[in-house]
Amino acid sequence: GAGVSQTPSNKVTEKGKYVELRCDPISGHTALYWYRQSLGQGPEFLIYFQGTGAADDSGLPNDRFFAVRPEGSVSTLKIQRTERGDSAVYLCASSATPLDTGELFFGEGSRLTVL
Amino acid sequence: AQKVTQAQTEISVVEKEDVTLDCVYETRDTTYYLFWYKQPPSGELVFLIRRNSFDEQNEISGRYSWNFQKSTSSFNFTITASQVVDSAVYFCALGVYNQGGKLIFGQGTELSVKP
Repeated sequence: GAGVSQTPSNKVTEKGKYVELRCDPISGHTALYWYRQSLGQGPEFLIYFQGTGAADDSGLPNDRFFAVRPEGSVSTLKIQRTERGDSAVYLCASSATPLDTGELFFGEGSRLTVL
Repeated sequence: AQKVTQAQTEISVVEKEDVTLDCVYETRDTTYYLFWYKQPPSGELVFLIRRNSFDEQNEISGRYSWNFQKSTSSFNFTITASQVVDSAVYFCALGVYNQGGKLIFGQGTELSVKP
């Protein structure tokens, strides 16, 4: 597609449930990033993929969070045993090359609400 | 540690006024990048500018201008003759060389331009 696409745009779930959020980056972009944005805050880095592998997952808050990118294109962020504190907008971004030379193109985000 | 501070949480101006958004950063790295992003109500972060740490030249793009001063670790953003369409949340961000897409964002400044 023309831009970064994220689905679902909104997700409401109950505490303890499992959630998957999907990101389809701009075609040809090798680098993919997940960020989390809480209300009134700036985005916080979660994980960065270069191709199929996670180059930096230092921002994942705990082992309930996991992300994959099996074919080097679409990525899925997976959250197990959701907690109310996981409520936030999850942003995906892609770039043609790693940040050192490029700019990030962000999607509109997936708003997760955990009741 | 790396940090970005945007001390102005909210700014309100009347159309055609000039407005400056402040950004102060902290890093011990000698090679880094600074960014400004715009986040309209739709939620999608839009890239505005990237500056390299070794390039202190100020930049002007239409009604937008940026003032980068390493001596004060600041990267301020000025909108000249503001318009209602400039209303958005603006984020300053810091990226470090060799850390891929791991941007450190400030908490954002919400700009409201009234007609």
